[in-house]
Amino acid sequence: GQNIDQPTEMTATEGAIVQINCTYQTSGFNGLFWYQQHAGEAPTFLSYNVLDGLEEKGRFSSFLSRSKGYSYLLLKELQMKDSASYLCAAVPRGGDYKLSFGAGTTVTVRA
Amino acid sequence: GAVVSQHPSWVICKSGTSVKIECRSLDFQATTMFWYRQFPKQSLMLMATSNEGSKATYEQGVEKDKFLINHASLTLSTLTVTSAHPEDSSFYICSVSGGRLRANEQFFGPGTRLTVL
Repeated sequence: GQNIDQPTEMTATEGAIVQINCTYQTSGFNGLFWYQQHAGEAPTFLSYNVLDGLEEKGRFSSFLSRSKGYSYLLLKELQMKDSASYLCAAVPRGGDYKLSFGAGTTVTVRA
Repeated sequence: GAVVSQHPSWVICKSGTSVKIECRSLDFQATTMFWYRQFPKQSLMLMATSNEGSKATYEQGVEKDKFLINHASLTLSTLTVTSAHPEDSSFYICSVSGGRLRANEQFFGPGTRLTVL
């Protein structure tokens, strides 16, 4: 089966940095996605990690350690518009394109 | 990326009626479409995988006779909630995959909020 864990909620101040951790246990592993979802809207793609290491994309960075079954999403220079739910999704091995989603971390950015 | 639309964006219906939700891939041919359901403050729960021209594959616990999926073309999949009840009220989201997208990448539609009275 698939088990994806991430914290339920996080709060941070505008301009600060927040790190959202995600641990996963899946039947095989082919990579990990991070999505952002604002309330009442569909998820939007943020990042995709397949290899170990840090990938930086503007204010957002994502890290993966395959040996530890661990990833994090780093949000820098937080803005009010970053208040949203952040979903990590692991890709189990197999050819059916399925994703296993975590429950999501709700980030609240305060002024 | 990919552009995905859903119609309607929201619907309110009476208990016992059926509701059809459309998912369209606007700018590429999606070999695979997924249907998810999301309850408030919960994550996306995969309902079924829809492949063009073949029967949908349903996840465990999802009634295939209640949630009818038709993937008639590479750009259109429909989900029909038959005999809807208040407990079916949820946010239904489709996503597309395959084709020119990298492996396992999914792009999501804007979602359909269903309220059953």
